[in-house]
Amino acid sequence: SQKIEQNSEALNIQEGKTATLTCNYTNYSPAYLQWYRQDPGRGPVFLLLIRENEKEKRKERLKVTFDTTLKQSLFHITASQPADSATYLCALDVVTSGTYKYIFGTGTRLKVLA
Amino acid sequence: EAGVAQSPRYKIIEKRQSVAFWCNPISGHATLYWYQQILGQGPKLLIQFQNNGVVDDSQLPKDRFSAERLKGVDSTLKIQPAKLEDSAVYLCASSSGLAGYNEQFFGPGTRLTVL
Repeated sequence: SQKIEQNSEALNIQEGKTATLTCNYTNYSPAYLQWYRQDPGRGPVFLLLIRENEKEKRKERLKVTFDTTLKQSLFHITASQPADSATYLCALDVVTSGTYKYIFGTGTRLKVLA
Repeated sequence: EAGVAQSPRYKIIEKRQSVAFWCNPISGHATLYWYQQILGQGPKLLIQFQNNGVVDDSQLPKDRFSAERLKGVDSTLKIQPAKLEDSAVYLCASSSGLAGYNEQFFGPGTRLTVL
């Protein structure tokens, strides 16, 4: 069966360290993978998109890798700050009858400790 | 630019009652999505519109949920009758197109509690 797995437990890290979040999937062959941030009581906010032929994508302190052989994406936040505390969601595109739709993982809650 | 607007922000109803949610997407966005997010889970796609046509409603419980997109702009999602398990946040999102490389812009959501 198709599955997207993110760390279900919260990740606590010290300010200034690099946070690494994992998104693993099975039985999907996504051409695109997106990462979103969600704060309590708010809708998700788009952060980064990576394509299947890209190994790595960077944006400021954020870095995403995409390994289609391992079926895994890693999301890194360098020099983390308390303001980075939120839930991070990965989403994979699925093509059905020529239409794209995104399937979201359950999210990982990140807490950056001052 | 204005973001995706949703109303109401909160709604409490009794089971078997009906409820409707409204969404106004970003101007010019052809694709509109309704998601259901249960506490502790990721958003689950209920229905996806391209302009005013439905392109995917495979996970919409059609015996009780319905949605429409008037004139390819605003959209409403209705639940009738509501069940306890419908308690969730209902998120509306829009994007400029169907292609997988388009980012989705989400509204703040409507938190529904069914008692």
